Amino acid sequence: GEDVEQSLFLSVREGDSSVINCTYTDSSSTYLYWYKQEPGAGLQLLTYIFSNMDMKQDQRLTVLLNKKDKHLSLRIADTQTGDSAIYFCAVDTGFQKLVFGTGTRLLVSP
Amino acid sequence: GAVVSQHPSWVICKSGTSVKIECRSLDFQATTMFWYRQFPKQSLMLMATSNEGSKATYEQGVEKDKFLINHASLTLSTLTVTSAHPEDSSFYICSARPGQKYGYTFGSGTRLTVV
Repeated sequence: GEDVEQSLFLSVREGDSSVINCTYTDSSSTYLYWYKQEPGAGLQLLTYIFSNMDMKQDQRLTVLLNKKDKHLSLRIADTQTGDSAIYFCAVDTGFQKLVFGTGTRLLVSP
Repeated sequence: GAVVSQHPSWVICKSGTSVKIECRSLDFQATTMFWYRQFPKQSLMLMATSNEGSKATYEQGVEKDKFLINHASLTLSTLTVTSAHPEDSSFYICSARPGQKYGYTFGSGTRLTVV
């Protein structure tokens, strides 16, 4: 089955850019998502990219997809303390099933 | 945008009792909804896919008699944890998708504590 991996932790200073990485194994994945989860809350959809795209930009967020390497990244420009949260990448296997990565805890310090 | 409402946000129940969690799509119809479980500091694991008007599809290892799912309308799915035990304590989250070109929207989650 699909396996989705992320680094567990990222620490940046306020104002810097953050890059969160994700790798997956199933090349037939259709949509790839990034979600944000704050403590005790549900998941907030940040952005998603279709598998035939290489890049998608939405305000401070940039998603890069390298299908050859099965690598997905989320770049947050001008990171703020309010961006501190856990970020999950998720891959749609094409059967209406999302497989989630392990989550990356982003800590933004002033 | 698409909103999924989940209720209650948290619940504490005694061991042996049953708890019902509701998931509603507020501004779209959802023939399919998804139920996930999340343990502390872990990722989300899909428990089951709820299908309107038919039986739910459970993931391997999930007890269907323990986690009863009902999807009686196009906007409401319920998850009932029957005869709850402390090991059922977890964060349960539902999800739905307004259409194929849209992302999956998640509810705010329900924290269940069984004492």
